[in-house]
Amino acid sequence: EPEVTQTPSHQVTQMGQEVILRCVPISNHLYFYWYRQILGQKVEFLVSFYNNEISEKSEIFDDQFSVERPDGSNFTLKIRSTKLEDSAMYFCASLGQGSKTQYFGPGTRLLVL
Amino acid sequence: RKEVEQDPGPFNVPEGATVAFNCTYSNSASQSFFWYRQDCRKEPKLLMSVYSSGNEDGRFTAQLNRASQYISLLIRDSKLSDSATYLCVVNKRDSSYKLIFGSGTRLLVRP
Repeated sequence: EPEVTQTPSHQVTQMGQEVILRCVPISNHLYFYWYRQILGQKVEFLVSFYNNEISEKSEIFDDQFSVERPDGSNFTLKIRSTKLEDSAMYFCASLGQGSKTQYFGPGTRLLVL
Repeated sequence: RKEVEQDPGPFNVPEGATVAFNCTYSNSASQSFFWYRQDCRKEPKLLMSVYSSGNEDGRFTAQLNRASQYISLLIRDSKLSDSATYLCVVNKRDSSYKLIFGSGTRLLVRP
């Protein structure tokens, strides 16, 4: 069964450093998402991406965040200057045309020290 | 008011018990409804979509009441492997189809 993959599974970084989280969505899917989950809290929407542009972003997704689909398979989330409060699990998800079901990757656990 | 509200639990039940989870949503424009399951430190996984007429998948039954903006999940004959957090999720028909998650209800099934 096709699946969404994410790398790395864990990332530890120093405050102020840049991080790039990578995702490979399911190959024929057209809608891509990043969500985050702070430990003990609910899953929160960050950004959606369709047709090579952001279709919606939340208040969390400020100027420090950016997304890119550099080629036909990868979908990346960049945090330019990490803050302590960026520590969370980051999930990538993808959605096929005409479907209602989003499939989630296994997540990247980010720890900012 | 939270967009999606759930009782956080935990619900601690013996194997074989029937357990019901409730969820309310605040946005009447919500279009699609789901129950996801999340194991500790894992990604959410779709358990089932929820339809207006109600739907069943084996031991799991989901109900939707649009007038009351209320969603439920019933688990019959619970198994140890059902122990997880159950997430009530909605989305609206808009350009992004983003998902809005409840905080989840934790279920512990004991032997």
